[in-house]
Amino acid sequence: EAGVAQSPRYKIIEKRQSVAFWCNPISGHATLYWYQQILGQGPKLLIQFQNNGVVDDSQLPKDRFSAERLKGVDSTLKIQPAKLEDSAVYLCASSLGASPNTEAFFGQGTRLTVV
Amino acid sequence: GDSVTQMEGPVTLSEEAFLTINCTYTATGYPSLFWYVQYPGEGLQLLLKATKADDKGSNKGFEATYRKETTSFHLEKGSVQVSDSAVYFCALGPYSSASKIIFGSGTRLSIRP
Repeated sequence: EAGVAQSPRYKIIEKRQSVAFWCNPISGHATLYWYQQILGQGPKLLIQFQNNGVVDDSQLPKDRFSAERLKGVDSTLKIQPAKLEDSAVYLCASSLGASPNTEAFFGQGTRLTVV
Repeated sequence: GDSVTQMEGPVTLSEEAFLTINCTYTATGYPSLFWYVQYPGEGLQLLLKATKADDKGSNKGFEATYRKETTSFHLEKGSVQVSDSAVYFCALGPYSSASKIIFGSGTRLSIRP
């Protein structure tokens, strides 16, 4: 079974530029998460989708971050404009559904460096 | 709100030593509890889980028991190996369609040969 695919693996941009990350979840997984993991910290949820609807985006900085999940499958996360503090690993995860006993599978992440 | 607190690292042990990484949680409902592991250069992987009180999760020699009375889910292993060197994350949830997985800050474990 193919895992969660993310691209690119690494990205370096200058502050105030824009950047986009892509995630392809495991086939059939209804729930998709985007997490931000700053160095030395645990992952922090940015946004959670159930199919193509947003379940939780309370910690998404909406003035600069946006995300969409086209047709309930692939998802993109965009930052515009980027700030230095956005340097982090952006993790995508998917699960069959958001309920007990449901394991979330993580991609390898995109490491963003803002200079 | 819900939260997870785990012991700070780094933790350095010699090979074959006994390992405990403490994890406590605060939750308004009855979440599932997880331990995830992140090996160097790799993504997060589920190590073990427990879905209700008194359940014990186990995998690769690691164990953790869901203790509702102490709101804890401590990770243990009787004899660690160099290959166990990684960052370990305790996490809770989800327990409803609208709840999320919440992670602790992670504990870096280094094992000396």
